[in-house]
Amino acid sequence: DTEVTQTPKHLVMGMTNKKSLKCEQHMGHRAMYWYKQKAKKPPELMFVYSYEKLSINESVPSRFSPECPNSSLLNLHLHALQPEDSALYLCASSAWGDGYTFGSGTRLTVV
Amino acid sequence: EDKVVQSPLSLVVHEGDTVTLNCSYEVTNFRSLLWYKQEKKAPTFLFMLTSSGIEKKSGRLSSILDKKELFSILNITATQTGDSAIYLCAVEGDTGTASKLTFGTGTRLQVTL
Repeated sequence: DTEVTQTPKHLVMGMTNKKSLKCEQHMGHRAMYWYKQKAKKPPELMFVYSYEKLSINESVPSRFSPECPNSSLLNLHLHALQPEDSALYLCASSAWGDGYTFGSGTRLTVV
Repeated sequence: EDKVVQSPLSLVVHEGDTVTLNCSYEVTNFRSLLWYKQEKKAPTFLFMLTSSGIEKKSGRLSSILDKKELFSILNITATQTGDSAIYLCAVEGDTGTASKLTFGTGTRLQVTL
C-alpha cells in the first residue's frame, strides 16, 4: 500500500459545527503532516507529527486541533471555523529517503 | 525562514516546445528538493533530488540540482497538452525534531495546440 487516504473528499460545514478530517497511511512512515492550500496558492504547512508526537505547529489558530492516535492515523478536528478557512486540506506522510506522499485532500467549505 | 522562489510564474507554450522551470531556495539544514505536478487535486510526485549534478529523468521530464548555487531546474521536452498544470518546487529542511517541506509559489504551465 503506497497511498495516503483522506476522508471525506468534500465537506461543507457551518461556522458553529464540529467536524473532523481523517488521514491514514500504511507505509510505515513515522512523520505525518497537515497542509492547507488556498486557491492559486502553494500548500502551507500547518502541523507535523513525528513518531506520533506533535513536532511543529506553524502558529495555527486553536480552532484547528490535530490528533495522532497511532502511527497510521492523523486527524484534524475543526471547530468554530471561519469562511476564510475554506481550502483544500492535504495530508502527507514521509520517511527519510522516501520522499513525501500526499493524500488527495479534503476540499472544505465553511458557510 | 526557509524560502523557495520559482520562475517564471506562468508560461504558455505550443505543443512540442521544450520548457525549463527554475527553482531557487534558501533552507536551514537541507535534506532534499522535490518537484510536484498539480492539476485539480493533490500534488503528484515527480522527482526527489538530494545530490548535486545528478540528473533525474522520467520520460520527457528531467531535473537537476545545484547545491552550491542553491538552484534546481525542471525540463520538459516535446510538451503535450497533458503537461498543462502547476509545477511546484519544494525543499525539505531538517528542524532538528522533524523535517518539513516548504513550497514555492509554483509555475503555471499551459501547453496549447
